[in-house]
Order: sequence, then C-alpha cells, then structure tokens
Amino acid sequence: SAVISQKPSRDICQRGTSLTIQCQVDSQVTMMFWYRQQPGQSLTLIATANQGSEATYESGFVIDKFPISRPNLTFSTLTVSNMSPEDSSIYLCSVEDLTRTEAFFGQGTRLTVV
Amino acid sequence: GIQVEQSPPDLILQEGANSTLRCNFSDSVNNLQWFHQNPWGQLINLFYIPSGTKQNGRLSATTVATERYSLLYISSSQTTDSGVYFCAVDLGKLIFGQGTELSVKP
Repeated sequence: SAVISQKPSRDICQRGTSLTIQCQVDSQVTMMFWYRQQPGQSLTLIATANQGSEATYESGFVIDKFPISRPNLTFSTLTVSNMSPEDSSIYLCSVEDLTRTEAFFGQGTRLTVV
Repeated sequence: GIQVEQSPPDLILQEGANSTLRCNFSDSVNNLQWFHQNPWGQLINLFYIPSGTKQNGRLSATTVATERYSLLYISSSQTTDSGVYFCAVDLGKLIFGQGTELSVKP
C-alpha cells in the first residue's frame, strides 16, 4: 500500500483567494487523482495528473479553476482558485497500487470558504 | 454512464449488532472496491473485490458480478465502525456510490 501525505489538513479561506493543496506519496506512481467531496455528498473526480503532461479534467472542472501541477512521480498540487463558498468541500488526492487495482487516499483537506 | 447505488443510505446500530450494506451497479465491471470514511474524513480501502468473497476480521464482502451487486457485512459492530461506507467501481476512473452512513451506538 502507498502512504500519502496531504496538506493542509484543513483551512478557512476568504472568498476570492486561492489555496494550494499538496500531496506527497512515499513511492513513485504513474497517475495521481484529485477528488472533491462536497458536504454530505460522495466523491467526484476532478482530474487525473500524469507526470510530464497536462492533467486530464473531468466534465464540469476546468484548468483555470483547478490548476494542477505534477513535477515528479511522487508529488502533485491542486490549486483551488478564486474561491467562493460553493468551493467548501473536502479535497482528496489518491493513487493506485502497482497492479492498478486498489486505490489509496490522502487524509483529505477540509476547506471552508467564508 | 454506469450507475452505482448503495443501500441503505443511513443505518443506526447498537454495539454488537450485525449489518449488511449493499451496492448495486448498472453495468459489468472488472473492479469493485469498498471504502470506509471515518468521521475525520480519512478514506480507508477495505476490500478490492471484483468477484467472490473476502474476509478481514469482522468485515467481509461478497460480489456477484453476474448479478451486478456487492455486499459488505459487518459483524459484532463497534463504535469505531461509525462513518460512511462507499463502494466504487473502476472504469478507468473510480465511480463512487452515494454511501451508507453508519452510526454505532454504545
């Protein structure tokens, strides 16, 4: 299994500002995934981040709002830009094991926008 | 797209009780996983179970792929079992059900 360190664990931000969330994995992985979990809801995939290429975004998510970096095989960042209260959610990063069968998640970042 | 439905949406148990959570999916899948999200938001992988039955302590899971459902059994529940249980199918990306929120009372 992979050990994933995600930070910050929580933050309270002013509307109109941006927050960058970091995700560090203890082993090299091909793909890293970013999810959003709105209050009381399930998880929705934002984008898939591959090292050396642009992230692939899911329908309803755009790069200008959620820019992602993937500088190497163990690290990724997700930025939530120009935040509004509707962005208040838990954001989680995830990786798959080597056989690409099991998914592992970071601790999550609980974001509140006021 | 594929639909993943979980039932029940909520469940309240007394400590020591057993429970069964269900996950139905609308199309064939090669990969199904169960997760537990604790009250702090941490998501823990419980089972990778595309078919058959697996057991891990008080938890077990069964997937009947031909009938497109999976079951998660929790026996002798404890307060630490509280949280939300998600199933997810993998179609190149994980598609999550809406979850079952379990509350175990002492």
